[in-house]
Amino acid sequence: EVQLVQSGAEVKKPGESLKISCKGLGYNFTNYWIGWVRQMPGKGLEWMGIIYPGDSDTRYSPSFQGQVTISADKSITTAYLQWSSLEASDSAKYYCARLPSWTGWFDPWGQGTLVTVSS
Amino acid sequence: EVVLTQSPGTLSLSPGERATLSCRASQRIGSRYLAWYQQKSGQAPRLLMYGGSARATGIPDRFSGSGSGTDFTLTISRLEPEDFAMYYCQQYSTSWTFGQGTKVEIK
Repeated sequence: EVQLVQSGAEVKKPGESLKISCKGLGYNFTNYWIGWVRQMPGKGLEWMGIIYPGDSDTRYSPSFQGQVTISADKSITTAYLQWSSLEASDSAKYYCARLPSWTGWFDPWGQGTLVTVSS
Repeated sequence: EVVLTQSPGTLSLSPGERATLSCRASQRIGSRYLAWYQQKSGQAPRLLMYGGSARATGIPDRFSGSGSGTDFTLTISRLEPEDFAMYYCQQYSTSWTFGQGTKVEIK
């Protein structure tokens, strides 16, 4: 069974750094793109970026370019989303999802990681 | 950027009724570049349809997708209790964007 398992909820202060993870199981991790999606409280879905773990080719949504960094370690079948300096507005649930090709739908999805940024 | 506009914002229906959800794109997209997702409260989104009209694995045939150009529709032929949820369309023709969602609630 193909699964994406995300790291647990985080509570951080503004200005702190954070790296959350998404581990791919049950498939060849290097052959599929992984995408990241933000969902702010009570709001809809926003695409943030995608990465191809095979060669770490990464594309960012213009809305998130420069705000986050997406990376992957294919040796441990894990993708990452990181911030160098969190803001309160980064409080949201973050999902990773697999794409069937570099342009495609998102399936399956990880269970989500809730990030809370508060002083 | 391709903007997707979903309507209505909320659909109030009874179990057994037919639900028709609309997704309109700001520019033409190929029908095979549209997906639909279901999201229940507190859960991750789940893929329902891809390529405009192909059902994802395990999705019952009461769900169907149609449309082309700029206008797309998700139809649920007879609502079951487990279908009351939020639904999002997504285009992947040019980058990726999601609609703002339609909530299907029990009347």
